[in-house]
Amino acid sequence: DAGVTQSPTHLIKTRGQQVTLRCSPKSGHDTVSWYQQALGQGPQFIFQYYEEEERQRGNFPDRFSGHQFPNYSSELNVNALLLGDSALYLCASTLTGGGTPEAFFGQGTRLTVV
Amino acid sequence: AQSVTQLDSQVPVFEEAPVELRCNYSSSVSVYLFWYVQYPNQGLQLLLKYLSGSTLVKGINGFEAEFNKSQTSFHLRKPSVHISDTAEYFCAVRETSYDKVIFGPGTSLSVIP
Repeated sequence: DAGVTQSPTHLIKTRGQQVTLRCSPKSGHDTVSWYQQALGQGPQFIFQYYEEEERQRGNFPDRFSGHQFPNYSSELNVNALLLGDSALYLCASTLTGGGTPEAFFGQGTRLTVV
Repeated sequence: AQSVTQLDSQVPVFEEAPVELRCNYSSSVSVYLFWYVQYPNQGLQLLLKYLSGSTLVKGINGFEAEFNKSQTSFHLRKPSVHISDTAEYFCAVRETSYDKVIFGPGTSLSVIP
């Protein structure tokens, strides 16, 4: 049973560029959430996708956007990168309306903006 | 709105000594509670969870936690720590009717040989 997989594992981008991160949820899960974890801090909720739509959103600017595909996989896009966007980006999957309520996390994508 | 407080940002403890990592939360509805562990350069691994029922829950690696509704606390404990327990520990809360998980700022546990 594959867990949550994220790609790439590491990424270096230049300020002002755009980046796309990818996530495949755990088998049987239909909901994907994205989190940003800055160094030395707890994960901060960015947004959540369910049925290919954004269901909830945290306090992040519109530069952060996402997408969910029919196979439940998801992308996180960040435009006009700032130095402060450097962080570990975590994807979590859950099953809405059933199963156990804990979120399963991927290993994350380490984004460095220079 | 939900929030999670972890009172200790860093906890040093000698090997084989007991440890308690504190967590308090605020929410206006019933919640699920979790403890996750994060080893360097890795994602989050679930240690244990409280859903309902018994207030004492046991998790992996010998950890346990006790839910106290009146004090809105969910403290994590281990009777004897090992070097391998050195990691970052996050307390998290999720409202029953929503999937969003809110994390605390984390507690860095350092086990000293």
